[in-house]
Amino acid sequence: AQSVAQPEDQVNVAEGNPLTVKCTYSVSGNPYLFWYVQYPNRGLQFLLKYITGDNLVKGSYGFEAEFNKSQTSFHLKKPSALVSDSALYFCAVSQAVTGGGNKLTFGTGTQLKVEL
Amino acid sequence: ETGVTQSPTHLIKTRGQQVTLRCSSQSGHNTVSWYQQALGQGPQFIFQYYREEENGRGNFPPRFSGLQFPNYSSELNVNALELDDSALYLCASSSAKNIQYFGAGTRLSVL
Repeated sequence: AQSVAQPEDQVNVAEGNPLTVKCTYSVSGNPYLFWYVQYPNRGLQFLLKYITGDNLVKGSYGFEAEFNKSQTSFHLKKPSALVSDSALYFCAVSQAVTGGGNKLTFGTGTQLKVEL
Repeated sequence: ETGVTQSPTHLIKTRGQQVTLRCSSQSGHNTVSWYQQALGQGPQFIFQYYREEENGRGNFPPRFSGLQFPNYSSELNVNALELDDSALYLCASSSAKNIQYFGAGTRLSVL
């Protein structure tokens, strides 16, 4: 089974500082990886995806993620954090399911808190 | 916003009752997936519908069932509600196997 792990329940960073939210994956074959963000009482918003190609993926709101095959990691990064980035971040992997569809398997989430 | 709408936003039911949740997919999307997100956890895949057929199912019992309509909107039905069914239910729409875009969810409380 394919899975992702988010080793940090919470990450605290000062506004203006760079941020990193960690994710490692365990998949057979080529990974299809995603980052989503969830604000309180809201659904998930897509940030970015890695399918193939460049290891540095750029996404929405200034976020980017670095795919590292040797370390099986897909860390989310942003050069300068904003207070408004405070939210719950989920890493996910897409995998095929019986019947021809595909599902997202999510990590447990990392709460990002950006402080003034 | 994604264009995926879910109704109702909140729902309170008692144990043993049945509930129907609804989802309108984003224009141009023919695939709908449903997820259950318990408090403090990541979303868990329930099932997926493609062109009105179920084409994938997660580890949920048969009392969780669904439908997809010709306009690609979808329903999630849960029979014989249990306390552990209390969660945020998320619908996501996509075009085939592309990016899944989520609605704001339905918060179900089972008392």
